[in-house]
Amino acid sequence: QVQLVESGGGVVQPGRSLRLSCAASGFTFSTYPMHWVRQAPGKGLEWVAVISSDGNNKYYADSVKGRFTISRDNSKNTLYVQMNSLRAEDTAVYYCARVRGGPNSNYFDYWGQGTLVTVSS
Amino acid sequence: DIQMTQSPSTLSASVGDRVTITCRASQSISSWLAWYQQNPGKAPKLLIYKASSLESGVPSRFSGSGSGTEFTLTITSLQPDDFATYYCQHYNSYPYSFGQGTKLEIK
Repeated sequence: QVQLVESGGGVVQPGRSLRLSCAASGFTFSTYPMHWVRQAPGKGLEWVAVISSDGNNKYYADSVKGRFTISRDNSKNTLYVQMNSLRAEDTAVYYCARVRGGPNSNYFDYWGQGTLVTVSS
Repeated sequence: DIQMTQSPSTLSASVGDRVTITCRASQSISSWLAWYQQNPGKAPKLLIYKASSLESGVPSRFSGSGSGTEFTLTITSLQPDDFATYYCQHYNSYPYSFGQGTKLEIK
């Protein structure tokens, strides 16, 4: 069965960096685009970034552009997000999510359990 | 960028009721819209995709409709498990975005 397991969250000071990972299993990871979505405490869902299946194409939300970098290692079935220059407003649960794939099927069919990032001094 | 606006933000209803949640896009997204259900402390769960297609395993009391800029999620005969928060999301183009959510509460 499809599993997505995030890790790497924690408490970090403003201005510092953190890297999150998402370990995928139960499907052919290298053939699916992957996304990061976040949710601030008590707030709604915010799309963060996407990476194509081969890693060559990436898109970011304006709120993280220039600070976050999404990447993947298809040999390790793992998705990453490198988060630099962290701000208090980056505090959130970060989810990795898979899209169903195929033409016009870019909705999220599987999500991880999320990892909490808290940016605080 | 496409903005998604949901209404209402909160909805109070009783078991057995029929409820409708509305989602509006700031520009046409054809039918590239999904609906998700989220319970506290849990990841979102896909309910509807392509505006009106029911995800496998989702009860038939959930239905979606609309195209262009106006969409609705309808739940008929509410069950206790349905009291949760619901989000719409477009996947027309990047950046994707979600509605702000509708919390369905027990009256």
